[in-house]
Amino acid sequence: EPEVTQTPSHQVTQMGQEVILRCVPISNHLYFYWYRQILGQKVEFLVSFYNNEISEKSEIFDDQFSVERPDGSNFTLKIRSTKLEDSAMYFCASSGSGAEQYFGPGTRLTVT
Amino acid sequence: SQQGEEDPQALSIQEGENATMNCSYKTSINNLQWYRQNSGRGLVHLILIRSNEREKHSGRLRVTLDTSKKSSSLLITASRAADTASYFCATAPISSGSARQLTFGSGTQLTVLP
Repeated sequence: EPEVTQTPSHQVTQMGQEVILRCVPISNHLYFYWYRQILGQKVEFLVSFYNNEISEKSEIFDDQFSVERPDGSNFTLKIRSTKLEDSAMYFCASSGSGAEQYFGPGTRLTVT
Repeated sequence: SQQGEEDPQALSIQEGENATMNCSYKTSINNLQWYRQNSGRGLVHLILIRSNEREKHSGRLRVTLDTSKKSSSLLITASRAADTASYFCATAPISSGSARQLTFGSGTQLTVLP
């Protein structure tokens, strides 16, 4: 069964460094998303992407964040200058024509 | 309560019993989805119910939606130890555009004892 994959599973970085989290959505899906979950808190929407552009973004998704679909398979989230409060689990998701979203296993980002 | 709040926060039952979790939300929705998350893992989509539906079944899962009360329930029948996980409801708003962003609740931690 097709699934969303994410790499790396765990990323440790120092405050101020740039990180790129990578995702491979399900191949025939058209909509892509990033969510994050700070330890012990709710899953929060960051951004959705469709037709090579951002379709929705939350207040969390400020100028430090960017997304890209560099080729036909990858979808990336870049954080330009990480802060301690960016430490969280980051989930990529994708959906096709239906509303169901399929999530990857997540990348645990630890900012020290 | 906030959009997509589940109750109870934690539920512990014996294997074979039914588990019922509730979700309340505040704004008008296009659909409501339930997800499962095993500890430290990703979210697994369980079932989606649209705003014009009242009840939906999938295997041992039964979901109801009451848009007048802005609430939903998830029933897991004949629970198994493997059902132990956190369960989240997530709502998609009615709005212009694609309106696909999901708002998640805090979740119900279900423990099924063997």
